[in-house]
Amino acid sequence: LAKTTQPISMDSYEGQEVNITCSHNNIATNDYITWYQQFPSQGPRFIIQGYKTKVTNEVASLFIPADRKSSTLSLPRVSLSDTAVYYCLVGDFNTGGFKTIFGAGTRLFVKA
Amino acid sequence: NAGVTQTPKFRVLKTGQSMTLLCAQDMNHEYMYWYRQDPGMGLRLIHYSVGEGTTAKGEVPDGYNVSRLKKQNFLLGLESAAPSQTSVYFCASSPHTVQYEQYFGPGTRLTVT
Repeated sequence: LAKTTQPISMDSYEGQEVNITCSHNNIATNDYITWYQQFPSQGPRFIIQGYKTKVTNEVASLFIPADRKSSTLSLPRVSLSDTAVYYCLVGDFNTGGFKTIFGAGTRLFVKA
Repeated sequence: NAGVTQTPKFRVLKTGQSMTLLCAQDMNHEYMYWYRQDPGMGLRLIHYSVGEGTTAKGEVPDGYNVSRLKKQNFLLGLESAAPSQTSVYFCASSPHTVQYEQYFGPGTRLTVT
């Protein structure tokens, strides 16, 4: 199972675009990348998932280069309410048991 | 539709006591999970279940037992609580076809003295 590396923390200002990069050098062919958001005293919330290239939804975009050894979560025009911890997670599509590994997470602090 | 609920929300135990944490989901999900989160750290998987009547060990299973007698419920048991088990416990569920999209409960804050 792959392990991920993310920056421990990031600061931003309201209205800016925030990019959080995650390294997963040992990602396997059947692995996918998922990002979660966690507010204090709450459980994590699924944001986005991807396998390769680019994925976009109403909340964020996920950029995955061809070698898939890293991925970047992009949050457009952040607001104060985006202050949270963001987890990059690599999972395995294989059958026969499913395990989820959460990295240490990136603590994003958005300032006014 | 309540999603994932956890009971209780808070609990204080003395070393050696036992307790059971209850997780319930009303989304008809096949997969359910128990995690623990220690201060300033990410989540670590304790046990999980891929269907009613099945359970499997995760990253940190020692000191915990689980049961999934009904599809909608996943129980986490501590037979003899230790201070090292002081943590916030999260339950989650997901459809088997979309395993990466897990729905989390609000958490149970457990303190063992």
